[in-house]
Amino acid sequence: KAGVTQTPRYLIKTRGQQVTLSCSPISGHRSVSWYQQTPGQGLQFLFEYFSETQRNKGNFPGRFSGRQFSNSRSEMNVSTLELGDSALYLCASSLDVARGTDTQYFGPGTRLTVL
Amino acid sequence: AQKVTQAQTEISVVEKEDVTLDCVYETRDTTYYLFWYKQPPSGELVFLIRRNSFDEQNEISGRYSWNFQKSTSSFNFTITASQVVDSAVYFCALSEGSSGTYKYIFGTGTRLKVLA
Repeated sequence: KAGVTQTPRYLIKTRGQQVTLSCSPISGHRSVSWYQQTPGQGLQFLFEYFSETQRNKGNFPGRFSGRQFSNSRSEMNVSTLELGDSALYLCASSLDVARGTDTQYFGPGTRLTVL
Repeated sequence: AQKVTQAQTEISVVEKEDVTLDCVYETRDTTYYLFWYKQPPSGELVFLIRRNSFDEQNEISGRYSWNFQKSTSSFNFTITASQVVDSAVYFCALSEGSSGTYKYIFGTGTRLKVLA
């Protein structure tokens, strides 16, 4: 079974631009979560989607948004990029993370650099 | 409050030494799940183990072993005879549903350096 894939793997943008990251979950998984990882803040939860609906959201500004498609693929968008948005963005998929019993499997991440 | 604490920020050991990574958690839930993930330099978090709150049996998988103790709210991870390939950041995580739905809470990670 193919794992979680994320595209692109690396991205360089300038302040003020916007960016879209993509995540394809493991086949059959309907829950997709996004995390931001920075050296100073560790792993921070952004949001979680299940069956095209956002079920949970972390404490991030509205510049961070996401969506999920009917095939469970998910995208996250960051508008008006700031230098502090430079991070590794990780996507995780599971059958249904809200059940508690299901393990999240992570993709390789997208490393975003904002100049 | 739900919380995961990994007090060891960084550990360095010489190859073949045993090393234990500590994880202490807080939750009001009686049903919860604990996880360990490994993050090598490539960046991807690799799932290592899941434990539910009703199963306090220790687990051994090759050179890896996990000690779950509810009495001390700890879920420690030991690598026996460490190897250079074990160098990575290790994250402990808690999945609990006291907020109404289960969410993952990650510790801040422990960077393990195994020196040849």
